[in-house]
Amino acid sequence: DAKTTQPPSMDCAEGRAANLPCNHSTISGNEYVYWYRQIHSQGPQYIIHGLKNNETNEMASLIITEDRKSSTLILPHATLRDTAVYYCIVRASNSGYALNFGKGTSLLVTP
Amino acid sequence: DSGVTQTPKHLITATGQRVTLRCSPRSGDLSVYWYQQSLDQGLQFLIQYYNGEERAKGNILERFSAQQFPDLHSELNLSSLELGDSALYFCASSTSGTSRETQYFGPGTRLLVL
Repeated sequence: DAKTTQPPSMDCAEGRAANLPCNHSTISGNEYVYWYRQIHSQGPQYIIHGLKNNETNEMASLIITEDRKSSTLILPHATLRDTAVYYCIVRASNSGYALNFGKGTSLLVTP
Repeated sequence: DSGVTQTPKHLITATGQRVTLRCSPRSGDLSVYWYQQSLDQGLQFLIQYYNGEERAKGNILERFSAQQFPDLHSELNLSSLELGDSALYFCASSTSGTSRETQYFGPGTRLLVL
């Protein structure tokens, strides 16, 4: 699976959009981008995933650049409950079964 | 609520002891994964079971073992416990265990070895 790079921490004001970047410059054609988050020692929570098209669900939007070397997770209206560590994970469709969590981005949403 | 349940929530024990952690997957899920999260190592994959059979192994110590029962619940057995085994242990499940599936995580068991 390709390696990912995320900023260690970010701040966002409540009500504003949180844009979390992820660099995956070595991504290959069959690798998906997944996002999970972990709220203070709770179990990781699936957010969204995509291959090359932008994706949106009730939690977030995922924007993948045309060259697929980077992506951005967007939380459109961040709330205090979105404070968490966000993990960007790249997985091949035929890769091993484990999720390789890196260090993620610690997002702090402030009032 | 992911639908994955884990018991107990907290466990305190002494070095050298043995404990069993239990996981019930989401209804209909055949595959179970175990992960360990310690302060210095982050989230690490331990082992995966699919429909009662071991499918993949990660960084699981020989002192640790797991199994998945016919009713699909799984148990992680940790023996000869050391201080360094203190960690959060998470169980996740997915429908059929392929790499493209979303894994849904339980709330975890916090183990403290004194």
